[in-house]
Amino acid sequence: QKEVEQDPGPLSVPEGAIVSLNCTYSNSAFQYFMWYRQYSRKGPELLMYTYSSGNKEDGRFTAQVDKSSKYISLFIRDSQPSDSATYLCAMSGAGVNTGKLIFGQGTTLQVKP
Amino acid sequence: DTGVSQDPRHKITKRGQNVTFRCDPISEHNRLYWYRQTLGQGPEFLTYFQNEAQLEKSRLLSDRFSAERPKGSFSTLEIQRTEQGDSAMYLCASSLSGRGDTQYFGPGTRLTVL
Repeated sequence: QKEVEQDPGPLSVPEGAIVSLNCTYSNSAFQYFMWYRQYSRKGPELLMYTYSSGNKEDGRFTAQVDKSSKYISLFIRDSQPSDSATYLCAMSGAGVNTGKLIFGQGTTLQVKP
Repeated sequence: DTGVSQDPRHKITKRGQNVTFRCDPISEHNRLYWYRQTLGQGPEFLTYFQNEAQLEKSRLLSDRFSAERPKGSFSTLEIQRTEQGDSAMYLCASSLSGRGDTQYFGPGTRLTVL
């Protein structure tokens, strides 16, 4: 079993829809939770960063962390075709190397105009 | 542009050849990470440096792989005797050290081994 599980999709939604992306994890030692966006054949771009449990909002994006359930989510409001990309959840803070990121598989999102 | 840069962006090589990739981190960042990403998967950690010291290597990093960061600035990743299974995107990221350091990724080097 992987440390971080993420539904690979693909997920297809109409423009303007609310998108919900999720990851579950098994290592309770993770403390830092991130969402990266990756366009095809490009490097990951940091979208959201959250420490411990709680919510964080940035424009159309909201990240939620529920450490008790080992579950994190990213919500995208008013989705746009430019949001079409692969979304990767990532976690760190466990073990000696607290900076090492453990990624989910990535969810491919397509927003149709 | 002050982001992370990687060179080359693409590399095609024949099985058995050696290849070397370079990563230039954001200038004030003292940590540098290498990850490998195969199609349809998330990046997997390979190794990381704090300044010039290589502090951790993944079990994914076989003896054919070696990484250096000689002066604590740029880093190189060399793969000797490449195999078809080495075909992947090799990503570099940099950060300022600290718990939960925020990592910024470069564009990656896409390696194809024929």
